[in-house]
Amino acid sequence: EDQVTQSPEALRLQEGESSSLNCSYTVSGLRGLFWYRQDPGKGPEFLFTLYSAGEEKEKERLKATLTKKESFLHITAPKPEDSATYLCALPGAGSYQLTFGKGTKLSVIP
Amino acid sequence: NAGVTQTPKFQVLKTGQSMTLQCAQDMNHNSMYWYRQDPGMGLRLIYYSASEGTTDKGEVPNGYNVSRLNKREFSLRLESAAPSQTSVYFCASSVRQGHTGELFFGEGSRLTVL
Repeated sequence: EDQVTQSPEALRLQEGESSSLNCSYTVSGLRGLFWYRQDPGKGPEFLFTLYSAGEEKEKERLKATLTKKESFLHITAPKPEDSATYLCALPGAGSYQLTFGKGTKLSVIP
Repeated sequence: NAGVTQTPKFQVLKTGQSMTLQCAQDMNHNSMYWYRQDPGMGLRLIYYSASEGTTDKGEVPNGYNVSRLNKREFSLRLESAAPSQTSVYFCASSVRQGHTGELFFGEGSRLTVL
């Protein structure tokens, strides 16, 4: 069964303290891995698409990377406004429908 | 630009009552989706509509029905609500099924079943 596992479940950082979030997957024949951000009380908002191992995407303080078994969301010098839950998702084998991980709740303390 | 609009935002039901969650998108997207989000479970797909006139079951379809009314609107119906259906429901749309994985989500409908 395809699985998407995110770690850690929660992460508290001081403002300016860089770190990484992990998304590991077991689906065969990866057809894309997607990162979303979700603010409290809101729907998820799309961040990045990664298609092949070695690919990287950047947006402001966020950089997403992909290997054959996992993806990392690196957060450089985070600010309090980066506090949110970050979700990764990917299509299952033989399906276009996305399976979402349970997310990492990031809190950035001023 | 409204994007994906869901109504109602909040609803409290008694066990056995029925209700319909409404969703509309103004981006001319072909595909639409209904997810539920529960603590510790993540987002799970209930039903989806790859294009106007088609609907298919997702991971957790039991107890729900859907209607793709037209290209813009996709509704989710609970015929006889159960406490296990207490959740936050999200509607989403995409240009088409399998297109980049970019889904546009509404702000959610928070349902409590007593």
